[in-house]
Amino acid sequence: EAGVTQSPTHLIKTRGQQATLRCSPISGHTSVYWYQQALGLGLQFLLWYDEGEERNRGNFPPRFSGRQFPNYSSELNVNALELEDSALYLCASSSDRGLYEQYFGPGTRLTVT
Amino acid sequence: KNEVEQSPQNLTAQEGEFITINCSYSVGISALHWLQQHPGGGIVSLFMLSSGKKKHGRLIATINIQEKHSSLHITASHPRDSAVYICAVDNTDKLIFGTGTRLQVFP
Repeated sequence: EAGVTQSPTHLIKTRGQQATLRCSPISGHTSVYWYQQALGLGLQFLLWYDEGEERNRGNFPPRFSGRQFPNYSSELNVNALELEDSALYLCASSSDRGLYEQYFGPGTRLTVT
Repeated sequence: KNEVEQSPQNLTAQEGEFITINCSYSVGISALHWLQQHPGGGIVSLFMLSSGKKKHGRLIATINIQEKHSSLHITASHPRDSAVYICAVDNTDKLIFGTGTRLQVFP
């Protein structure tokens, strides 16, 4: 069974641009979570999608947004990129609603120059 | 003060030693997760527990809900156990993470 996949692996953008990150959950999982891990900082919760709807979001500005598609894959969009958005962005999925055991993808490393 | 505190921040051990990593939290939780992150960023979920104790191979996780404390134990540690171990608590539909414990096991 394929695990959680994320694309691209690496992404380099300049300040002010927009970035789009993609995540495909494990087959049968309906919940997708996005996390940010900035250099030297711990993991922080960004967004939770379940059944196509945003269920919860962390303490991030509105320029961080996303969506979940009917096939449960998800996109994270970051608008008006700032240097401090440089981080590893991790996606995780779980089955059913709520926070059951989560399975993490390999991450997308975003660099903003 | 962070809502999830881990100790120690860094830990070195000789192969074969018994390892303990601690996690304390100050918020209400429905579950606690232990995660392992290898160099390069990949994260593996080790345990999710809401009470008592769980064991998987050489890894044991315990939680004391009354004391708001959890421990992760590694028996007979091995160099391949070298990684960052992260405690995370499930609080109101989101995970709150500790800052991690960096473990290095030397042969």
